[in-house]
Amino acid sequence: QSVLTQPPSVSGAPGQRVTISCAGSTSNIGAGYDVHWYQQLPGRAPKLLIYSDTKRPSGVPDRFSGSQSGTSASLAISGLQTEDEADYYCQCYDDGLGGRVVFGEGTKLTVL
Amino acid sequence: QVQLVESGGGVVQPGRSLRLSCAASGFNFNNYGMHWVRQAPGKGPEWVAFIQNDGNKKHYTEAVRGRFTISRDSSKTTLFLQMDSLRDDDTAVYFCAKDPRSHSWFFEDWGQGTLVTVSS
Repeated sequence: QSVLTQPPSVSGAPGQRVTISCAGSTSNIGAGYDVHWYQQLPGRAPKLLIYSDTKRPSGVPDRFSGSQSGTSASLAISGLQTEDEADYYCQCYDDGLGGRVVFGEGTKLTVL
Repeated sequence: QVQLVESGGGVVQPGRSLRLSCAASGFNFNNYGMHWVRQAPGKGPEWVAFIQNDGNKKHYTEAVRGRFTISRDSSKTTLFLQMDSLRDDDTAVYFCAKDPRSHSWFFEDWGQGTLVTVSS
């Protein structure tokens, strides 16, 4: 069981908005550590999508946005496009076991 | 343009060793922390190890502590992962990843990965 909890799957039609949640605890998100999000297309390496809760690397469309509150974070994708179909992972630093990086188990986005 | 190219993966028997390499280019290697992240088949990514830009600090996930060693060679701008006493559950694609600073604990750039299969 992952330290960060994500829904296994979400879906939406083209043009719609979806959100993916990432639930943590007081040893990671709630301790003030930043949350980061990655997109992974089939057979590819993960790609940084959102860093430090809300920031987008250059080249990432503003359709992607992040937020954080308390012990949870969320990724929102608006104006869904077929090429957004991928796996999405949240990631954070955690104080447990002497300090470690933790990932969520991932959410599969299906664009209907 | 950042390039990270992993090599050294393959099929290895349980208990044996393997050494992975990651050739880095397109950035000042000496200024950035580096990580290894692995992904077992059908699973999410798992952070494995970190080395600070100057090589002085190293951190490992509990599952590999005492068996894996991360290192770097600044003259060759190459990152390494020495994997000893390999187990079946070490089977995964291993990615090297660049930290955006010396130790920010996230992954700004990734290599394409190298597959390690531990099987008798």
